[in-house]
Amino acid sequence: SAVISQKPSRDICQRGTSLTIQCQVDSQVTMMFWYRQQPGQSLTLIATANQGSEATYESGFVIDKFPISRPNLTFSTLTVSNMSPEDSSIYLCSVISGGGYEQYFGPGTRLTVT
Amino acid sequence: AQKVTQAQTEISVVEKEDVTLDCVYETRDTTYYLFWYKQPPSGELVFLIRRNSFDEQNEISGRYSWNFQKSTSSFNFTITASQVVDSAVYFCALSTGRRALTFGSGTRLQVQP
Repeated sequence: SAVISQKPSRDICQRGTSLTIQCQVDSQVTMMFWYRQQPGQSLTLIATANQGSEATYESGFVIDKFPISRPNLTFSTLTVSNMSPEDSSIYLCSVISGGGYEQYFGPGTRLTVT
Repeated sequence: AQKVTQAQTEISVVEKEDVTLDCVYETRDTTYYLFWYKQPPSGELVFLIRRNSFDEQNEISGRYSWNFQKSTSSFNFTITASQVVDSAVYFCALSTGRRALTFGSGTRLQVQP
């Protein structure tokens, strides 16, 4: 399985500011995803982070609000822009490791917007 | 479109009871993968199991067992002799190939001592 780290683990941010979340994997992976988990809710896919090309966003999520970078096969960032209290969530990155289908998740970034 | 339904929002049991968490899925794909994850209060998602659509064998791992039935589109999860440490939110999820997961709404399990 892949070992995934995320930074920061948690943050409290002011409305209108932006936060960039980093996801680092200990091995090269082709598939990397970003999910959001709002308080008490399930996980919703934000986008698939593609290496060397633009991310593929799900309905309801746009690049201007959630820009994603994927400069190489072990690293990605998600930025939450112009934050509002509704953005308060846990943000998780996940990867598909090796040739299998198991998806492993990072520890998550707990974001609170005041 | 894919869908995963976990009808049980919350279950409360007393330690040592057996408990079954239900999961019903919908997909038009003939090849798909089903997953269970555990999310303890700390928040991380712990992978428990993956099942392929073409493998209906039930699986047992210690106190955990999974019952996959394609005829009813169900992938249920049973914990035998539950323990307080089993208290968590459990998510069932579905994917078709090497793609993102579609999650159910989760079942919160409370195991009382």
